[in-house]
Amino acid sequence: EADIYQTPRYLVIGTGKKITLECSQTMGHDKMYWYQQDPGMELHLIHYSYGVNSTEKGDLSSESTVSRIRTEHFPLTLESARPSHTSQYLCASSERQGTAYGYTFGSGTRLTVV
Amino acid sequence: AQSVTQLDSQVPVFEEAPVELRCNYSSSVSVYLFWYVQYPNQGLQLLLKYLSGSTLVKGINGFEAEFNKSQTSFHLRKPSVHISDTAEYFCAVSPGVGAGRRALTFGSGTRLQVQP
Repeated sequence: EADIYQTPRYLVIGTGKKITLECSQTMGHDKMYWYQQDPGMELHLIHYSYGVNSTEKGDLSSESTVSRIRTEHFPLTLESARPSHTSQYLCASSERQGTAYGYTFGSGTRLTVV
Repeated sequence: AQSVTQLDSQVPVFEEAPVELRCNYSSSVSVYLFWYVQYPNQGLQLLLKYLSGSTLVKGINGFEAEFNKSQTSFHLRKPSVHISDTAEYFCAVSPGVGAGRRALTFGSGTRLQVQP
């Protein structure tokens, strides 16, 4: 059973709408990440957090924003969705010691902006 | 910074045949190496990882990988594949202990297609 949950699994939304992709984990992990994955391409880190009130931008420039008010919750927001935002978004978490323990991934949110 | 190259975008193979998925990395510091598997419409699942020690690492589902520092490679192998192994496989790297930001950098993935 997954310990990291992403909702919704699928979302089709019109251009200009504001959306929030939810990510929650029950493992007490300090570190959380958002990756963007396009079909047939690698995952690109867009945001990460090392703990409450700590967020950083990743390697791929993104118009999305994140917040980390609670350890278990790491939502991603797009203020005005565009077709170029169409992609799969994967949330992950890891223990304080970081990558040595690997990541636990959610099932992803597949976003389509029309 | 680290980078990962997966040399094959697709690997077709017949059931019960052996398979090798290739991964090369680039880094100026010590690294941790990982292989993940992604089944359709799912997130990624950790197959195995190399942190230190023995260069041959065994993972779940009968997979193993060998770390080769001189060739900067971390190829994934399975002696006999099953239809259920059909999935996308991702190699990933992160800095090792005390070596910078610890976020995974992923390769572009290799689609393993097992045919009956």
